[in-house]
Amino acid sequence: SQQGEEDPQALSIQEGENATMNCSYKTSINNLQWYRQNSGRGLVHLILIRSNEREKHSGRLRVTLDTSKKSSSLLITASRAADTASYFCATDAWGNEKLTFGTGTRLTIIP
Amino acid sequence: DVKVTQSSRYLVKRTGEKVFLECVQDMDHENMFWYRQDPGLGLRLIYFSYDVKMKEKGDIPEGYSVSREKKERFSLILESASTNQTSMYLCATSRPRRGTYNEQFFGPGTRLTVL
Repeated sequence: SQQGEEDPQALSIQEGENATMNCSYKTSINNLQWYRQNSGRGLVHLILIRSNEREKHSGRLRVTLDTSKKSSSLLITASRAADTASYFCATDAWGNEKLTFGTGTRLTIIP
Repeated sequence: DVKVTQSSRYLVKRTGEKVFLECVQDMDHENMFWYRQDPGLGLRLIYFSYDVKMKEKGDIPEGYSVSREKKERFSLILESASTNQTSMYLCATSRPRRGTYNEQFFGPGTRLTVL
């Protein structure tokens, strides 16, 4: 069964604006990761946040995690056309090698 | 950099055929995974392997089998392809989770069409 659900399913914004995507999950986690997928390609890891962390930054990416609400958000600041892609959250549980992926958010940056 | 390759980018097969999808990685990762990706359903785990000759069922193993005879190679087998197996298939690898970090590295995917 799917662990994560991303919201919104699709998002279109103007280049230069900020994009925010949300992920909700159902059970306790160890880590939460975000991945990007360009059209028709494999996924690329973006950032990982541990369950004891609340916020993490990497370049133009900012991830937050609220374990009490079982939710995470990914913020991309100053968006660029190259950010057009699908974004997935993935969670894992303690002692488990597997990741459970959400259904993804399709982000379109309009030049 | 980790390189994960898949044998084909596009594949067209007929119903009932036996189909082999191959994945090869060059980074000596113990863990390897096969997913299928369908619109609106995200990625779903079919099988994974945490060592040579070791395998474990994922969420949707029915109609599939796997083989891992060598550490670097993980094959997904569709014993008798059916139209509902038309999908994008993604292979991924990761290091064992001795710490807490288990980033997965993905291949480019194989888009399989079963007619």
